[in-house]
Amino acid sequence: DTGVSQDPRHKITKRGQNVTFRCDPISEHNRLYWYRQTLGQGPEFLTYFQNEAQLEKSRLLSDRFSAERPKGSFSTLEIQRTEQGDSAMYLCASSLATQLETQYFGPGTRLLVL
Amino acid sequence: RKEVEQDPGPFNVPEGATVAFNCTYSNSASQSFFWYRQDCRKEPKLLMSVYSSGNEDGRFTAQLNRASQYISLLIRDSKLSDSATYLCVVRASGSARQLTFGSGTQLTVLP
Repeated sequence: DTGVSQDPRHKITKRGQNVTFRCDPISEHNRLYWYRQTLGQGPEFLTYFQNEAQLEKSRLLSDRFSAERPKGSFSTLEIQRTEQGDSAMYLCASSLATQLETQYFGPGTRLLVL
Repeated sequence: RKEVEQDPGPFNVPEGATVAFNCTYSNSASQSFFWYRQDCRKEPKLLMSVYSSGNEDGRFTAQLNRASQYISLLIRDSKLSDSATYLCVVRASGSARQLTFGSGTQLTVLP
């Protein structure tokens, strides 16, 4: 257990529905990252926060995706109008500003869109 | 072309064997290099950083060749518990510290 928690761990939804995932980073970590991982691939970067500011977004993050970190602590990732191609593992990671190279990953939320 | 490419695997080796994984990266501005380990249905965990001078951590040795843009991981005296997917990871200079992962190489150590 790295100290990063994610909720829910599993989510099954129907195409067209909205889903929201939550990530709680290690408490003193001010950087928080979201990645997506599909079967047989490594994680792909989606977006990142420093404190409450969202500083970078991947082109993978379409306009159906939105992420927030309102108080600089936990973060949420929302997917609107889900599509079958959104089925993946969504991983959250956090790091210390002084140890940027070491990202600690949460257990992920596995999303299945039917 | 993917930014980080790894041996396709899978590798099935007997206990005690030595196994080597290779990785190439395309962005010459990459500055930091890592190997992560991911167990089945678990999150990735940092195995070791990779330095230009090469580095060793017990049975694991990582090498970096910047000129060839090539990274390797050597596992000696492999154990059953080494069975996992090994992810080659790079971070480019000036990026927001996000990591770029290879697709991973699956290792199964057989009794």
